[in-house]
Amino acid sequence: QVTLKESGPGILQPSQTLSLTCTFSGFSLSTYGMGVGWIRQPSGKGLEWLANIWWDDDKYYNPSLKNRLTISKDTSNNQAFLKITNVDTADTATYYCARTLPGDSYWYFDFWGPGTMVTVSS
Amino acid sequence: DTVLTQSPALAVSPGERVTISCRASESVSTGMHWYQQKPGQQPKLLIYGASNLESGVPARFSGSGSGTDFTLTIDPVEADDTATYFCQQSWNDPPTFGGGTKLELK
Repeated sequence: QVTLKESGPGILQPSQTLSLTCTFSGFSLSTYGMGVGWIRQPSGKGLEWLANIWWDDDKYYNPSLKNRLTISKDTSNNQAFLKITNVDTADTATYYCARTLPGDSYWYFDFWGPGTMVTVSS
Repeated sequence: DTVLTQSPALAVSPGERVTISCRASESVSTGMHWYQQKPGQQPKLLIYGASNLESGVPARFSGSGSGTDFTLTIDPVEADDTATYFCQQSWNDPPTFGGGTKLELK
């Protein structure tokens, strides 16, 4: 059974660094083809892909935020991480992590965590 | 970035057939996927690769299309299908999502 769960600070101040953890079970990030992605959703709005990390430690970032994002993983502890530097109120959202599987020249998110709400406020 | 355009809302009666459309600003081949999101919940994968039904998803859901025009069909619609449906492409970088279609049952 595949499960993922996000954890984060809940609230932080503008200019701080947001650190998020995704703890998962039911699969391994050392398995060929496996990946974990981060997606966020402001309240009442749409979804925005942020970053992905793959079994071979390959990393992809959304260019619109690339210089602020760092994704990493701890394979032995079944965790993936995302850091966003210099946050502001526009980063207020629910942050999801999701297992990512490859298809025929595409990839998709087949299992999602319940999300963690992050509020940026002074 | 590839822009995905969805109609914002639809209202149908239980038992009817509904089609939810998603149009891409450029070709995404078959790299289109569909998710269902109920209020307060995370998205759930329904269809991947334009037409492949995710395991465990009822056969009432189906997907079609390629290139720039895609459709998610629910037939017949049930009361539990009240949700927002998002399309997402991963053929072009970066992956992008549509704005979502809110499905309401009459």
